[in-house]
Order: sequence, then structure tokens, then C-alpha cells
Amino acid sequence: SQELEQSPQSLIVQEGKNLTINCTSSKTLYGLYWYKQKYGEGLIFLMMLQKGGEEKSHEKITAKLDEKKQQSSLHITASQPSHAGIYLCGAVRLMNRDDKIIFGKGTRLHILP
Amino acid sequence: DAGVTQSPTHLIKTRGQHVTLRCSPISGHKSVSWYQQVLGQGPQFIFQYYEKEERGRGNFPDRFSARQFPNYSSELNVNALLLGDSALYLCASSKTGDYGYTFGSGTRLTVV
Repeated sequence: SQELEQSPQSLIVQEGKNLTINCTSSKTLYGLYWYKQKYGEGLIFLMMLQKGGEEKSHEKITAKLDEKKQQSSLHITASQPSHAGIYLCGAVRLMNRDDKIIFGKGTRLHILP
Repeated sequence: DAGVTQSPTHLIKTRGQHVTLRCSPISGHKSVSWYQQVLGQGPQFIFQYYEKEERGRGNFPDRFSARQFPNYSSELNVNALLLGDSALYLCASSKTGDYGYTFGSGTRLTVV
């Protein structure tokens, strides 16, 4: 099974509506990244969460990490066409001396005008 | 400041050929990581280098290799290309190899 599960896989919302994307880990999260990706392009850093209960906001996007550090949510308020794209959550996984990121499969967000 | 730069942006190769992808990290970043993203999936970790030393390797065959140069730029090499190697290859840099990863725009490799 996937180590990091994202839901939903895809989402279509009317412009101006709120939406939430979830990311669930089978292991305790030492750190959790949220990235946005336009189709076929590179990843744009949104936020990183490390502490249980932590919440960060940037413009209309808010990300939270639950107290148990196994689930994160990304909430977009009053969605706009510019929010369309693929949202990826990435879990920090410790290697011997450094870290790597394990990504979920992504949530494809479409905004209807 | 320039971000992470990758070259080329697009590449078409034939099965069995060899390919070299290049990555220049952000100035001051000493760690480079490589990821493969096939269509419809999240990126998969391939390699991480820090100070020219391999610090981590993902579950990829030996056909995949990489190296980091004294100026911290990096190359990803793939030998004996297969159709399944078609993907977006992403490079990420960070100062120390833990946290603060910045990704490049990727190289789109198509194997025909």
C-alpha cells in the first residue's frame, strides 16, 4: 500500500468555493511538505510543517499537521483559477545522514469559472 | 538569484541509448537530489548527493547513476534506456541535505 495517501485524487470546484485536500501517513511524520505543480512542470514550494498541531497560512492557503503527526490537510479559501494544478504532499524520511522526501500521488485540482 | 536550473528541458531518446541530465543548484546549496515522476504519480526518490558524496539511493536499477561536481552541480545518467524510463526528472537542492528543498522545472525524457 502507498506510504502516503492523498485524498481526493481529483477535485473539481466552482471558483470562489472552499476546498480541502488530505494527506495521511502510515508512519509518524518528522516533517511534511506541501508542493504545487502545474501539469508537466516543476514543484513549487508551498509550506512545510514539523510540529504536531502546527498550522501555517500563505495567502488563501492553510496547511495543518495533526497532533499525532500522521495526517495533514491543505485548505484553500475562495478558490481562484490560479489555484488549479496538482497538489503534492511529501513526507520527510530519514536516511543514514540526510533526508529524502516520499511523495503522495497528488491531488488534481480543477477550478470551474 | 537563479533557482535550480535543469537542462535540457525536453529530450527524446531511443530504447537502448544513454542519457545525461544536468542540474545546477541554488548558489550556496551543497546538496542535490534527483527524483523521477512518471505520468499520474508523485515524484520518486532516486539519489541524493552532498559535498560530492552519495548520501542516499532509492529503489532504482544500476542503470541509473549520478555524480556531483566540485561546484555542486550534478549529473544523472541513465544507461540502456527503456520505454518505462519516460518521465519528468526533477532535481532539488538544499543547503545541507535536510529540509528546505527547492525543485527545478525538470527534464521531460521521452523514450521511443
